[in-house]
Amino acid sequence: GAVVSQHPSWVICKSGTSVKIECRSLDFQATTMFWYRQFPKQSLMLMATSNEGSKATYEQGVEKDKFLINHASLTLSTLTVTSAHPEDSSFYICTVKGQGDGYTFGSGTRLTVV
Amino acid sequence: SQQGEEDPQALSIQEGENATMNCSYKTSINNLQWYRQNSGRGLVHLILIRSNEREKHSGRLRVTLDTSKKSSSLLITASRAADTASYFCAVGWRGYSTLTFGKGTMLLVSP
Repeated sequence: GAVVSQHPSWVICKSGTSVKIECRSLDFQATTMFWYRQFPKQSLMLMATSNEGSKATYEQGVEKDKFLINHASLTLSTLTVTSAHPEDSSFYICTVKGQGDGYTFGSGTRLTVV
Repeated sequence: SQQGEEDPQALSIQEGENATMNCSYKTSINNLQWYRQNSGRGLVHLILIRSNEREKHSGRLRVTLDTSKKSSSLLITASRAADTASYFCAVGWRGYSTLTFGKGTMLLVSP
């Protein structure tokens, strides 16, 4: 399967600032990547589908102007949390769908907004 | 909701015992996958079972799929303390490329 690198693994930021999270597919050209969010002791919820060279597709209830997704190349998708607030504190994780039915997940980014 | 539903939410057993977790879903699937997550960490893929398969094995793991009941189970045999983690089922829907995760089962294996 694909090898996925996600960075940073954790970040603490002040309320009102923006944070960028990177997801790289190291050995697979990923036309599509997915971003999930996981609150403590809860399941993973799909936020958006990142499409290379086009706009991301956001799930219902996810603010596209707050969670900016850029997928400018086949190996990199970024998620920027803009004007972060404490309620945005969560575990963000990306995934790449490889050939067939396999998915490879990044190691996740724990965001804490203070 | 298309989200998979898992039970139990939490399971506490002793080392050496078997652990069984169940997952149910609502509509037709393409495949069902099981993942493991250690506290605060990323996901580790365990097993993928396709809709035309009924059972798969991987080491101490055994997954079954009953499409007539829209359910799957994950059995971990001879559990170890290192198996302590959260386990999630995730369904791949026909016609969609995304995965939908269940709520997960927190497994605690005591030495």
